[in-house]
Amino acid sequence: GAVVSQHPSWVICKSGTSVKIECRSLDFQATTMFWYRQFPKQSLMLMATSNEGSKATYEQGVEKDKFLINHASLTLSTLTVTSAHPEDSSFYICSYLADNEQFFGPGTRLTVL
Amino acid sequence: SQQGEEDPQALSIQEGENATMNCSYKTSINNLQWYRQNSGRGLVHLILIRSNEREKHSGRLRVTLDTSKKSSSLLITASRAADTASYFCATDRTGTASKLTFGTGTRLQVTL
Repeated sequence: GAVVSQHPSWVICKSGTSVKIECRSLDFQATTMFWYRQFPKQSLMLMATSNEGSKATYEQGVEKDKFLINHASLTLSTLTVTSAHPEDSSFYICSYLADNEQFFGPGTRLTVL
Repeated sequence: SQQGEEDPQALSIQEGENATMNCSYKTSINNLQWYRQNSGRGLVHLILIRSNEREKHSGRLRVTLDTSKKSSSLLITASRAADTASYFCATDRTGTASKLTFGTGTRLQVTL
């Protein structure tokens, strides 16, 4: 299956700072990718869908100005959590869509102090 | 919310026993998929069952789908300690995996 990486795998930051998470597809190019958020012992909740070269589509309740998505190329997408607060602490997972299947990254654990 | 419900929320069994997890959903679907997630890791795709299928097998996994009841089950036979993980169902209404809705998950613990 396709390989997707995320960097960093975990990050701890102070409240009010911004954090950037990278998601890369290592062996294929895909125009569509997704960002999910997962709170402890809960399911994955879709945050946004992005297509390469166009603006991301955010799910209801997700602030687009707080969670900036840049899908600049077919192999790289970034999620920037701006002015992070403790309630943004979560596990963020990206996935790429290819051949009618989503391939998931390993996730990034964000802890905001 | 379109999110599916899974039960049980947690399941603890001994190695060698079978584990059954259930998933219910609310809308019509094109297919339903099961994923495994080890603690603090990403998702691994296990199996996909289409809406016109009733049962599917893959190794020690057996998945059933009842579209009239909007429910699915995942059976893991002869469980192993390495099967310890969270298991999620995800429904796909489009058939293109462009919009997956995940269930609440079942945390499976397999002890020696």
